Amino acid sequence: AQRVTQPEKLLSVFKGAPVELKCNYSYSGSPELFWYVQYSRQRLQLLLRHISRESIKGFTADLNKGETSFHLKKPFAQEEDSAMYYCALSSNFGNEKLTFGTGTRLTIIP
Amino acid sequence: DAGITQSPRHKVTETGTPVTLRCHQTENHRYMYWYRQDPGHGLRLIHYSYGVKDTDKGEVSDGYSVSRSKTEDFLLTLESATSSQTSVYFCAIKTGSYGYTFGSGTRLTVV
Repeated sequence: AQRVTQPEKLLSVFKGAPVELKCNYSYSGSPELFWYVQYSRQRLQLLLRHISRESIKGFTADLNKGETSFHLKKPFAQEEDSAMYYCALSSNFGNEKLTFGTGTRLTIIP
Repeated sequence: DAGITQSPRHKVTETGTPVTLRCHQTENHRYMYWYRQDPGHGLRLIHYSYGVKDTDKGEVSDGYSVSRSKTEDFLLTLESATSSQTSVYFCAIKTGSYGYTFGSGTRLTVV
């Protein structure tokens, strides 16, 4: 079974401070991992995926297979980063299901 | 985006009535999904489809059924709506090797 855990439901960070949103996963195979962002009452948007190893809006995430983690980081928070963030895992064998964590609501304090 | 639309955007219905939500895509993608989003639970998979007439259950499928008679349409039916099914429903499609695109959501209220 595949599972994604986001231990923090709420996270408040001052503008300009570093941000780290935690994500841990369990999966028996080789996972595909994603971060999605949802701004107020909008659709989910892909923020980044581990396979592309790119940085979007200053965010990065590194897959650590030893710790089964995929934490999201940004060195300097901006007010527009306030949103709901979801970590997700995809299985690529058969059903191609995307499994989400419970999400972390990030609030940037001006 | 990949041409995915959900209808209706908002609906209020009474307990015990059947409700059907529609997800429509314009790009012939094989995999389609229905999720519900609830505070504290994130997004949970209800049902998904891997082709026409090929569907399977997700983690919260009780009380829901789906149909996919055409590639472009994936319908979610609440057979007899209950207040616990008040939620925001998102449809998603797998658009490439590693990409998933989501619809704008349907806000359903069961009174």
